[in-house]
Amino acid sequence: GESVGLHLPTLSVQEGDNSIINCAYSNSASDYFIWYKQESGKGPQFIIDIRSNMDKRQGQRVTVLLNKTVKHLSLQIAATQPGDSAVYFCAEHGGYQKVTFGTGTKLQVIP
Amino acid sequence: DTGVSQDPRHKITKRGQNVTFRCDPISEHNRLYWYRQTLGQGPEFLTYFQNEAQLEKSRLLSDRFSAERPKGSFSTLEIQRTEQGDSAMYLCASSGQAWKGELFFGEGSRLTVL
Repeated sequence: GESVGLHLPTLSVQEGDNSIINCAYSNSASDYFIWYKQESGKGPQFIIDIRSNMDKRQGQRVTVLLNKTVKHLSLQIAATQPGDSAVYFCAEHGGYQKVTFGTGTKLQVIP
Repeated sequence: DTGVSQDPRHKITKRGQNVTFRCDPISEHNRLYWYRQTLGQGPEFLTYFQNEAQLEKSRLLSDRFSAERPKGSFSTLEIQRTEQGDSAMYLCASSGQAWKGELFFGEGSRLTVL
C-alpha cells in the first residue's frame, strides 16, 4: 500500500511499551481537539476527542491530555501493539464543523 | 458495507483534462466534507456541505474546483483543466447531526496528473 508517512517525525516504540505522541496547536478558540489514526492506503480514523474545557480524557488504551496554557495536546497509547503502527494526526474543530489537521507523527512498533 | 465510499479509487489523467470524483457518505449523515492530502502531510480542508448547502470553501479551492451535493446525499468534486500540482489524495468524510468530533472518512481517490 501507499505510505503517507514520508518526511514525517517518527516515533519507534517497543511492543508492549507505552507511546506518547505530542502535538502543538495554534487556535485557542477551538472547542474540540481530536486524534486520528491513518494506516497506509486508508483514510484517517477517529480515535478520541477532548473538549477544550477538559484537560484529560481516557478511552480504551488511549488517553488524551490537553494543556491550554502551552497549547499542547498529547496522545498516550498503553501497551502499544503492532496494529498501532500508523500515522497519527492531531486535529482541531473550528467553525462550521470544520476539522483542521496538524502535522502527523509516524508510530513504528518494534515487535 | 455502510461506510463512506469514494469512486474512483485511482485516476491517472493528463494535464489539462477534467476529472470528477464521487463520494457516497454514510446514509444518515447530513454533513459531508472534502479534504486533500499530499504525501507526508495532513489532510487539508477543501469544502463542507450540510445537506445540499455548501457552507464553507477553503481558499485552496481555486475556480477550477467545484463541488456539489445536489440532493443532500452523494457529492461530486470536479477539477477542471488539471495541473500537476493537483496530484493528491482526495478524501471525503461525513458526520452526523450531533457533533462528537468524529469524521468518518472514505479511503480516498488518488489523482495523478501527468
